[in-house]
Amino acid sequence: EVQLVESGARLVQPGGSLRLSCEASGFTFRNYWMTWVRQPPGKGLEWVANIRPDGGDTFYADSLKGRFTISRDNAKNSLFLQMSSLRADDTAIYYCARDTGNFYVDSWGQGALVTVSS
Amino acid sequence: QSALTQPASVSGSPGQSITISCTGTSGDVGAYDYVSWYQQHPGKVPKVLIFGVRSRPSGVPDRFSGSKSGNTASLTISGLQTEDEATYYCSSYTDVNRPAHVFGTGTQVTVL
Repeated sequence: EVQLVESGARLVQPGGSLRLSCEASGFTFRNYWMTWVRQPPGKGLEWVANIRPDGGDTFYADSLKGRFTISRDNAKNSLFLQMSSLRADDTAIYYCARDTGNFYVDSWGQGALVTVSS
Repeated sequence: QSALTQPASVSGSPGQSITISCTGTSGDVGAYDYVSWYQQHPGKVPKVLIFGVRSRPSGVPDRFSGSKSGNTASLTISGLQTEDEATYYCSSYTDVNRPAHVFGTGTQVTVL
């Protein structure tokens, strides 16, 4: 069974930084694209970033303007999202998700709530 | 990467059919057959219903079907059931400026 478990979520002040982690199990992690998707409370889904199976290429939503960095450690079956210069509108549930490689997500973590507030 | 446009809400009675539209551009929906649809119940994680415009993952009832014409994709739910009440999102691949994905604005489906 595919399992994705996010960690690292907390309350952070505007301008601060935060690193989310996602531990994967139940599948061969190094063979899959991985994705971060976020959802502000009560709002819709927003694609954040994804990364190739070997970590060689990363892609980001234009709206992030270089503030976020996605990375992975295939030896530890882990995905990361480093977030900096956080703003109130970054407040959201952040989902770690497995991309099938056919441009859709078939498995999601339970999500990690990041709150940016003073 | 502007969000794809969906109607805010659609409703129908049990047993009826409803269709949700998802309008993009020639750079996303119109350019690739990489449209997917997700269902999200309140407080739950999204679940994929359709990928590649019209393909269903195993376990998804054939009441759910997808199609595309030009820059607009559609999700049809036939034989609407009470458990279909949820929010539905479309998504598409795009590489207008760089490879990316874009979600739709979401449609709340109400079963009357």
